[in-house]
Amino acid sequence: DSGVTQTPKHLITATGQRVTLRCSPRSGDLSVYWYQQSLDQGLQFLIQYYNGEERAKGNILERFSAQQFPDLHSELNLSSLELGDSALYFCASSPSTGFQKGNTIYFGEGSWLTVV
Amino acid sequence: AQSVTQLDSHVSVSEGTPVLLRCNYSSSYSPSLFWYVQHPNKGLQLLLKYTSAATLVKGINGFEAEFKKSETSFHLTKPSAHMSDAAEYFCVVSEYGGSQGNLIFGKGTKLSVKP
Repeated sequence: DSGVTQTPKHLITATGQRVTLRCSPRSGDLSVYWYQQSLDQGLQFLIQYYNGEERAKGNILERFSAQQFPDLHSELNLSSLELGDSALYFCASSPSTGFQKGNTIYFGEGSWLTVV
Repeated sequence: AQSVTQLDSHVSVSEGTPVLLRCNYSSSYSPSLFWYVQHPNKGLQLLLKYTSAATLVKGINGFEAEFKKSETSFHLTKPSAHMSDAAEYFCVVSEYGGSQGNLIFGKGTKLSVKP
């Protein structure tokens, strides 16, 4: 158990809908990262927050957004869903910003999103 | 820009035989390198990491990896495979001072272990 908690574990929704994925980082970790794992794209970095502020942005679509709250949990919002958004979404956390050498990032078990 | 290439998409071994999962990286800076494992329907678990200390890194469950700068490689090995090692393995690079994504994943190697 990595200590990173993600909910829901599975989600099925229709095209055009909006969903919210939730992540609680490990106790004491200030950084939260979101990754998408799909069959065709592999594991891709979406976005990182550090202590409530956006720190780095990867291949995140404009239809997707995220935020990190004062209690450090994070939410990933996916809107206007398309079939191609079906994927496993991972949340990860680390104690620091991620820019320090050797920084270890711990992953949750993921949220499976199926868009039908 | 940094990148990771896992040379085999699928490796099959017999239980009790050695495991070799190959990884080459490209990095403009001094990299940190990791191996993560993903068991079916599970999250990503850190196996080991290299951060410029000893070039031979020991991880969990008997796995180890050797950083070879001259070959830009970070291959994962285990002397004797166990059935529970069947999973997908990801080689990952993180550039010190990098500003995007922090972790760049390889496409993964699926390890099968035959009885």
